[in-house]
Amino acid sequence: DAGVIQSPRHEVTEMGQEVTLRCKPISGHNSLFWYRQTMMRGLELLIYFNNNVPIDDSGMPEDRFSAKMPNASFSTLKIQPSEPRDSAVYFCASSLGLAGAREQFFGPGTRLTVL
Amino acid sequence: LAKTTQPISMDSYEGQEVNITCSHNNIATNDYITWYQQFPSQGPRFIIQGYKTKVTNEVASLFIPADRKSSTLSLPRVSLSDTAVYYCLVGVNSGGYQKVTFGIGTKLQVIP
Repeated sequence: DAGVIQSPRHEVTEMGQEVTLRCKPISGHNSLFWYRQTMMRGLELLIYFNNNVPIDDSGMPEDRFSAKMPNASFSTLKIQPSEPRDSAVYFCASSLGLAGAREQFFGPGTRLTVL
Repeated sequence: LAKTTQPISMDSYEGQEVNITCSHNNIATNDYITWYQQFPSQGPRFIIQGYKTKVTNEVASLFIPADRKSSTLSLPRVSLSDTAVYYCLVGVNSGGYQKVTFGIGTKLQVIP
């Protein structure tokens, strides 16, 4: 299996632009997580999907952030409009089962820089 | 939601055994303890998970005392390649959804 695939690996954009991050989970996994990592706040859970349905979006920072999972093999995280404070590494992870303590498999991450 | 506390950083020389302790005073009966490892520029990866006493695999050992209010990840004879951030998480691994948090983790620096 190829593991969790994320694209792009690096994204540099200007403030105010729309940014779309993409994730392909491991085939057969029914849970998908989006995380954001910064030096100050560590690894934060943004949103969690189970069977393509958002279960917990309490970590989504504000209305500028949105996430979708149209099918079991694809998810997007969109930031519109982007701001410099959104600069971070964004990880997607997938797992089997509903509970958060089941083993999560992480993608390589997308490093986002907003100028 | 069980909160965990672990040291922010640790240094160790190559070849030594490293023990990283995590406190989780309000752990619930059904919670498991899980540790992840994150190398620079990579996503975290699962190392080990346990419920009580001791669990060992090819990478590490996990020691959990009877009261389960803390746990210790033990890395035998570390090498430079073990330099990474280690996260302790607490949560259920079956049944309904429960949010688990990674936090800041413990940054382990292995010194030659």
